[in-house]
Amino acid sequence: QKEVEQNSGPLSVPEGAIASLNCTYSDRVSQSFFWYRQYSGKSPELIMSIYSNGDKEDGRFTAQLNKASQYVSLLIRDSQPSDSATYLCAVIYSGGGADGLTFGKGTHLIIQP
Amino acid sequence: SAVISQKPSRDICQRGTSLTIQCQVDSQVTMMFWYRQQPGQSLTLIATANQGSEATYESGFVIDKFPISRPNLTFSTLTVSNMSPEDSSIYLCSVERLGRGIYPRKYNEQFFGPGTRLTVL
Repeated sequence: QKEVEQNSGPLSVPEGAIASLNCTYSDRVSQSFFWYRQYSGKSPELIMSIYSNGDKEDGRFTAQLNKASQYVSLLIRDSQPSDSATYLCAVIYSGGGADGLTFGKGTHLIIQP
Repeated sequence: SAVISQKPSRDICQRGTSLTIQCQVDSQVTMMFWYRQQPGQSLTLIATANQGSEATYESGFVIDKFPISRPNLTFSTLTVSNMSPEDSSIYLCSVERLGRGIYPRKYNEQFFGPGTRLTVL
């Protein structure tokens, strides 16, 4: 069974610090990995996508992928109270065709002012 | 990214009735997807809707319960049939933006509509 695992939290981080969110996945053939942010009562918003091993940076966000360990992470630098949300890790398990996303349960992040 | 709208934004329905949810995109897209997010839970894929062909359903979801239409490249509907309180969820559509490169299907970024909050009494 295809699974995406996340620590549900809550993860509490002081303002200005680095928030580190982690995700593991079960299927070695996965090729596409995504981080979504979801505020309460809103739909998920795509913030990062990553496909190759290593780091990918976009502003205050860095996604890290390690396919050998089947591990994806998201780092948020200089955390702001507005970063408080649920962060969803999502994976596409097939490299071809039209495939939907398999989501983890999400990590609830709280940035403390 | 595409602008995606859904109708209705919310509804309260009686047990045994059906509700059709519409998803409209402001540009043509190949793939559209329907997801469900039950209270306090993450998103679960219901089905993939490709224009001109039958929808592909995930395990645990059947066409009789969740019929889907995809009449053109900018529109899709999901019907929740013979509803029960267990169908109370947020239903979301998403669209796929293809990336560039030799294997474009690999870069399947998806963007979500605002969702439809359904309560079944």
